[in-house]
Amino acid sequence: DTGVSQDPRHKITKRGQNVTFRCDPISEHNRLYWYRQTLGQGPEFLTYFQNEAQLEKSRLLSDRFSAERPKGSFSTLEIQRTEQGDSAMYLCASSPDTVGDTQYFGPGTRLTVL
Amino acid sequence: SQQGEEDPQALSIQEGENATMNCSYKTSINNLQWYRQNSGRGLVHLILIRSNEREKHSGRLRVTLDTSKKSSSLLITASRAADTASYFCGLRNKLIFGTGTLLAVQP
Repeated sequence: DTGVSQDPRHKITKRGQNVTFRCDPISEHNRLYWYRQTLGQGPEFLTYFQNEAQLEKSRLLSDRFSAERPKGSFSTLEIQRTEQGDSAMYLCASSPDTVGDTQYFGPGTRLTVL
Repeated sequence: SQQGEEDPQALSIQEGENATMNCSYKTSINNLQWYRQNSGRGLVHLILIRSNEREKHSGRLRVTLDTSKKSSSLLITASRAADTASYFCGLRNKLIFGTGTLLAVQP
């Protein structure tokens, strides 16, 4: 399968714990995006990378959130001291190096914070 | 708001009927993209229409774009039960989405 993959698919954690999600983009794609989606809403942009550089972060990305893409391939999204409000689906997408190109989404990681 | 707003929020039709959903936006765009999302899954890209295009077809999908009215429509012809999903329009490079149209196709 050469699509975008995310791991884990589901994560249940207790409030205050740290969690880390991984995204593996399509191999030739230079751009990688993270989105968050809550029930009944469309995905909300969190951040994106051009290769290993994090070019933009949404105001939604509080200090408890950090994303990395150290080698310009896979990316991780870490949430520290999770809160119940962090419960959501976290989606990753990748696209080629052209502005406005189609984004290909992974299946998402569903986070539940108890 | 920079996001697209889909309309209607929900649409229920019978199999074989056509479904039309709309997207309105307020900002300038280079292109507009339509995505489908099955319940609990990731988004699947359907079609991209550029700002200099007025209409585009892909299989049973037809998308129109009216930049003067800042609106786009997605038409699904001869709908199938498998078309049941939420549909989103995405704007700009960061893909700013609205709340989507939830389409239910009854067999």
